[in-house]
Amino acid sequence: DGGITQSPKYLFRKEGQNVTLSCEQNLNHDAMYWYRQDPGQGLRLIYYSQIVNDFQKGDIAEGYSVSREKKESFPLTVTSAQKNPTAFYLCASTLPGTGGNYGYTFGSGTRLTVV
Amino acid sequence: GDSVTQMEGPVTLSEEACLTINCTYTATGYPSLFWYVQYPGEGLQLLLKATKADDKGSNKGFEATYRKETTSFHLEKGSVQVSDSAVYFCALSPTSSQGGSEKLVFGKGTKLTVNP
Repeated sequence: DGGITQSPKYLFRKEGQNVTLSCEQNLNHDAMYWYRQDPGQGLRLIYYSQIVNDFQKGDIAEGYSVSREKKESFPLTVTSAQKNPTAFYLCASTLPGTGGNYGYTFGSGTRLTVV
Repeated sequence: GDSVTQMEGPVTLSEEACLTINCTYTATGYPSLFWYVQYPGEGLQLLLKATKADDKGSNKGFEATYRKETTSFHLEKGSVQVSDSAVYFCALSPTSSQGGSEKLVFGKGTKLTVNP
């Protein structure tokens, strides 16, 4: 079955460390997205990519970085510059050029905790 | 800019009660509208969608009608079950001159708890 795989499900980071969250999809989707979810704040867009080797900042990109070297993969690095990284991170993908009719497919998320 | 406003939660109901979660939107043109559901510790799943005015989306007993005159897309279910306990997100996909944009705009979510 096609879908989006996020790993790991739980991740612990020490102060000052960079960590990378994995997102892989086998849906042949061109567009991929990273969201951060905090309690009571809904979803906030971190980065998105419409095509391989291209990506754009979302609403809260500071302290994060991404790459899009392959269509299937869109890893997110949480850098030491992100002062409050503890959150639930969601990856999503969709087919571009569908007029918004398709919606997103989401992964099951990674819960990052700073220890 | 485009935005989605959902009713504040949490919402607590008894099993078999009727559910309505209000959602209104602000957008230019003719956006597509979605409801997503998030069960505890999981990602979001598409529950239903409507792509034009007066369309009704439905799935698993849930329904929502795209009302352009009131810019609303309220989620309804006639008889909720304990298994419906989750967070529900309303979202829109703005339209553009190119025929569509994939960047969804989400509401803040409404937590529903159904007690037996």
